[in-house]
Amino acid sequence: TQLLEQSPQFLSIQEGENLTVYCNSSSVFSSLQWYRQEPGEGPVLLVTVVTGGEVKKLKRLTFQFGDARKDSSLHITAAQPGDTGLYLCAGGNQGGKLIFGQGTELSVKP
Amino acid sequence: GAVVSQHPSWVICKSGTSVKIECRSLDFQATTMFWYRQFPKQSLMLMATSNEGSKATYEQGVEKDKFLINHASLTLSTLTVTSAHPEDSSFYICSARPQSGLAVREQFFGPGTRLTVL
Repeated sequence: TQLLEQSPQFLSIQEGENLTVYCNSSSVFSSLQWYRQEPGEGPVLLVTVVTGGEVKKLKRLTFQFGDARKDSSLHITAAQPGDTGLYLCAGGNQGGKLIFGQGTELSVKP
Repeated sequence: GAVVSQHPSWVICKSGTSVKIECRSLDFQATTMFWYRQFPKQSLMLMATSNEGSKATYEQGVEKDKFLINHASLTLSTLTVTSAHPEDSSFYICSARPQSGLAVREQFFGPGTRLTVL
């Protein structure tokens, strides 16, 4: 069974601080997606990474896919209150399903 | 592009009744749609994979007779919660995977349906 361990599960920081969220697995994934979800809404896709070692940037967010395609990280620089939300990583397997991590509840206080 | 809608956005029903939730891909065709369930402060749990024109594939522990899935067209999948009970109260989210194109490995999510069973 493929599992994605996401950490930390909860993170409360002050505006302006940096943070990193990790997703780790013993399995290889064909792709890795990161989503952000607001309460009462569906997840919104932030990025998809597919190549081992790949790094993608989205404004203050930096996403990295591990060389072996088993792990990924999301780094946010100078966090803002608008970054508050649930961040989810999800690994794509060969069957086309997404395996979700447990999620990281981020709270950025002004 | 890649918009997925769900209807209704929320529903309250009495115990023992059945509730149907629709999932539509508005601007693309989706051979495959997925149904997830999410409890408060938790991640998404895959319930079943819905394939157009064929039977759905259910994850282990999900009762196929309780959660009926129909994927009648390339843009519509429905989930019917039969004989709903309070423990079925949850946030149900669907996603759709494009039939072709660069985003074929991605899933685009609907806004979710909040089901409350009294």
